[in-house]
Amino acid sequence: SQTIHQWPATLVQPVGSPLSLECTVEGTSNPNLYWYRQAAGRGLQLLFYSVGIGQISSEVPQNLSASRPQDRQFILSSKKLLLSDSGFYLCASSRDRDRQYFGPGTRLTVT
Amino acid sequence: SQQGEEDPQALSIQEGENATMNCSYKTSINNLQWYRQNSGRGLVHLILIRSNEREKHSGRLRVTLDTSKKSSSLLITASRAADTASYFCATVTGFQKLVFGTGTRLLVSP
Repeated sequence: SQTIHQWPATLVQPVGSPLSLECTVEGTSNPNLYWYRQAAGRGLQLLFYSVGIGQISSEVPQNLSASRPQDRQFILSSKKLLLSDSGFYLCASSRDRDRQYFGPGTRLTVT
Repeated sequence: SQQGEEDPQALSIQEGENATMNCSYKTSINNLQWYRQNSGRGLVHLILIRSNEREKHSGRLRVTLDTSKKSSSLLITASRAADTASYFCATVTGFQKLVFGTGTRLLVSP
């Protein structure tokens, strides 16, 4: 099975500061990778997905961007954080339509 | 956008009782999956049911799917305090993207 690593686990950043969240995958190759955001007490919103190195699709317009510099590395970034970027960010990986494997998440608080 | 809507939003039961959660969705699907999330943690895949299946079992879990009504239910039998978590349904419609519902928060009291 796949193992998803995310760091940091928690992050407190001031408004206007940059952001970089990293996700790495073990146990598979050429996975599809996903970034989700979860607002408090809510469901998951898909932000970005990637089917291969350098291939990024954005689901919603926002202040964030994603990159995939290596097969099993997925990075979520922002140049200037907004208060509304606060949330719980989850990275996921899949090889097919059958299931996704999720990382432990990063809780981001923008102050 | 949210494809699925879970019902109820919150459920509180005693250990040993059964818990039933429902999910409705809007478009045709390839499969429907249920995930569990403990507070502040990542999601864990519980069970998948394909669009041509009507019922599936896994341990204490039973999932049904009614494609004519665009709905699914998750039954947890003989619940335990450790089952306390949020439960989400997610649908796969085409490409390998999951669209999640809003979740049901389950509290199982000892």
